[in-house]
Amino acid sequence: QKEVEQDPGPLSVPEGAIVSLNCTYSNSAFQYFMWYRQYSRKGPELLMYTYSSGNKEDGRFTAQVDKSSKYISLFIRDSQPSDSATYLCAMSAGSGYSTLTFGKGTMLLVSP
Amino acid sequence: SAVISQKPSRDICQRGTSLTIQCQVDSQVTMMFWYRQQPGQSLTLIATANQGSEATYESGFVIDKFPISRPNLTFSTLTVSNMSPEDSSIYLCSVDFPGRAVDTQYFGPGTRLTVL
Repeated sequence: QKEVEQDPGPLSVPEGAIVSLNCTYSNSAFQYFMWYRQYSRKGPELLMYTYSSGNKEDGRFTAQVDKSSKYISLFIRDSQPSDSATYLCAMSAGSGYSTLTFGKGTMLLVSP
Repeated sequence: SAVISQKPSRDICQRGTSLTIQCQVDSQVTMMFWYRQQPGQSLTLIATANQGSEATYESGFVIDKFPISRPNLTFSTLTVSNMSPEDSSIYLCSVDFPGRAVDTQYFGPGTRLTVL
């Protein structure tokens, strides 16, 4: 079993839809959880990060962590064509500096 | 965050040659990281470069194949040596910042390498 599992998609939705992106993980030591957005031919851009379990909201984006289920989610409300990108989850075990473990990324396509 | 640039943005190289990729940051950073991103695969960490010390390589990556320099707090290079078509990939550098409470990394735009 890979440490981080993420459905590669593509996930196609119409503009305005609510999008749910998810990752599961196996390492219970992970405490820090991040979502990156990567546009085609660009580097990953940090979108959100959370510590331990709970929710965090930033505009149209909500990150959710359920450590008991080893499951994290990113919700996008009122999705826009400009949200079309690959979304990568990443996680780490410690603060300060430690290695990030990435999922493979989910490609999202939002059609007008 | 910081502005991170990479050179070249892309290159097409012949088998057996070497390519050096540069990563420049507009502020001083503690750690710089080099990743490989192959189609359909997770970002894979190649090595971590701390200024003033030898780079630390991940399992499956060796210094002879991927030599790294970190001469100062704003710059690093990764060389892909004796290239083969299997080295075709996107190579990304990333940085984290001193004193941060949360493990986050910021990425450069990447270098798209094709080996013929």
